[in-house]
Amino acid sequence: GAGVSQSPRYKVAKRGQDVALRCDPISGHVSLFWYQQALGQGPEFLTYFQNEAQLDKSGLPSDRFFAERPEGSVSTLKIQRTQQEDSAVYLCASTQGQSYGYTFGSGTRLTVV
Amino acid sequence: LAKTTQPISMDSYEGQEVNITCSHNNIATNDYITWYQQFPSQGPRFIIQGYKTKVTNEVASLFIPADRKSSTLSLPRVSLSDTAVYYCLVGDRNAGNMLTFGGGTRLMVKP
Repeated sequence: GAGVSQSPRYKVAKRGQDVALRCDPISGHVSLFWYQQALGQGPEFLTYFQNEAQLDKSGLPSDRFFAERPEGSVSTLKIQRTQQEDSAVYLCASTQGQSYGYTFGSGTRLTVV
Repeated sequence: LAKTTQPISMDSYEGQEVNITCSHNNIATNDYITWYQQFPSQGPRFIIQGYKTKVTNEVASLFIPADRKSSTLSLPRVSLSDTAVYYCLVGDRNAGNMLTFGGGTRLMVKP
């Protein structure tokens, strides 16, 4: 597609529920990143994929967070047993092969109530 | 990763030139300087990237002094639609390196 697409755009979850956030990167983009952005803060790195390989997951805040990209294109970020502190915007970015100009999606705003 | 320091907020008026300076005292030899723009409810958008001296594109100019310990993003003749958060990032230009965002500069353009 023309850009990075994320769905859903908004998600409200009750505390303790599991959620799955989807990212469709630009076709052909090898690298895919997930970021978490709290209100009023800059995005913070969560995890990085090169094709289907998850090369860096150092930013995932707990073992409740899990990301996958099984076929090297679409990626899913899953959060188990959501907590209120998980409320944030989750951004996905992709790039073809170098860090010159990552393309971000519009994000998924997760609210845990 | 080199850290960056930039003003928390700036105000300007339509038609003015806006300069946002970013400090990155411990920038490494392989690091590039990249600026992103973020509007509310949208992801960051790449504006410009440079290594040294001056880079200009259709959106902005980036000035980098010889010591590369700072950089200045220049937005010519801003309009209301330039109201956004601007992030300065420093890092190795490698696809495996994640972007490290600071708090950014909130630019408010007034009529």
